[in-house]
Amino acid sequence: GQQVMQIPQYQHVQEGEDFTTYCNSSTTLSNIQWYKQRPGGHPVFLIQLVKSGEVKKQKRLTFQFGEAKKNSSLHITATQTTDVGTYFCAKGNTGKLIFGQGTTLQVKP
Amino acid sequence: GAGVSQSPSNKVTEKGKDVELRCDPISGHTALYWYRQRLGQGLEFLIYFQGNSAPDKSGLPSDRFSAERTGESVSTLTIQRTQQEDSAVYLCASSLDGGANNQPQHFGDGTRLSIL
Repeated sequence: GQQVMQIPQYQHVQEGEDFTTYCNSSTTLSNIQWYKQRPGGHPVFLIQLVKSGEVKKQKRLTFQFGEAKKNSSLHITATQTTDVGTYFCAKGNTGKLIFGQGTTLQVKP
Repeated sequence: GAGVSQSPSNKVTEKGKDVELRCDPISGHTALYWYRQRLGQGLEFLIYFQGNSAPDKSGLPSDRFSAERTGESVSTLTIQRTQQEDSAVYLCASSLDGGANNQPQHFGDGTRLSIL
């Protein structure tokens, strides 16, 4: 249906390890956004991907949009304790966003 | 204000009571969204306002839920005859505009609603 599936639901890593979350849709996406929600906080916009095969980087974060525009990923290199939180992907749908269930990242110092 | 403002920040009420939640979007943002987030869950879309267009109410879970927006400013989300399953954080977001371009959404801190 309209959902986007996100995996994994939870991830525990040791500080310094890498982390990846994946977002998949059964339908072609016009665009996809990524948000981060710290514990007790509200979602904060990270980035939007629009083009097929697009790759964008923000410091240690790398965002990819699949060639078929049906999947996306967020990769964090060398995680830090400040990366803790829940990462959501969201697909555009007639003006509104449909959010995935999120991947919660915990980082052990 | 600088960001999206929501009030109250916390609301505790008895089952069966009506509640009204308020959202002040960022000035100049024509699009406004309401979401519900249950503990440990994702964001569930409720309703979307875009300028003077008819709102997209497709996410409202029942007829106990309604929302209004005055022009391009304040919005209120009303839940009538509250039930325990309505307990959640209600998040409001605004964006520069809606439509196919899907501008980034800016979220408020939410209203944590607890139904006893």
